[in-house]
Amino acid sequence: AQTVTQSQPEMSVQEAETVTLSCTYDTSESNYYLFWYKQPPSRQMILVIRQEAYKQQNATENRFSVNFQKAAKSFSLKISDSQLGDTAMYFCAFMNGGYGQNFVFGPGTRLSVLP
Amino acid sequence: DGGITQSPKYLFRKEGQNVTLSCEQNLNHDAMYWYRQDPGQGLRLIYYSQIVNDFQKGDIAEGYSVSREKKESFPLTVTSAQKNPTAFYLCASSIDSGGPTGELFFGEGSRLTVL
Repeated sequence: AQTVTQSQPEMSVQEAETVTLSCTYDTSESNYYLFWYKQPPSRQMILVIRQEAYKQQNATENRFSVNFQKAAKSFSLKISDSQLGDTAMYFCAFMNGGYGQNFVFGPGTRLSVLP
Repeated sequence: DGGITQSPKYLFRKEGQNVTLSCEQNLNHDAMYWYRQDPGQGLRLIYYSQIVNDFQKGDIAEGYSVSREKKESFPLTVTSAQKNPTAFYLCASSIDSGGPTGELFFGEGSRLTVL
């Protein structure tokens, strides 16, 4: 069974600084997708960024980028120029390619951006 | 605007009562999902449905039931058999249960409290 681990239950960062959230996963599959979802205090889950395992290039979305290390099964999220609105729970998720019901979520990291 | 609507946002229930949470989507997505979220844990899959009139149990289906009579609707019933129903419930959908997209779109959630 696939598992997703986020070893940092809570983190904080000063506004305008950079922070990296860690995620590791375990799978024997070769075709899969990885995601970072954000859950702000409003509780609605929002997709931040996604990565296809077959792509070697790391995904980037504005201030958000990932460091995808397939051999190490690591998928960290870097947030640059942190903003107060980035305060949220961040969930790393894994999806077995072709099976949407097989989303597996990590326990989450609570990020606080401090003014 | 397209999206997923969950209702009610907050719900209180007495022990021994069944309660139904509504989930409606106008994204024309094939697959729909129900997740349960508890503090300190990632999302856990309760039920999912890939097409109308078909649904499958997820990891924690005991004490829950669903129906999928219409593509747009996937209500979840929390029965009296669910031993610890107090939680935050999230409904999600995806374009297809598989395929290259796979991204989950979420509703705003329903908070159920058993008194």
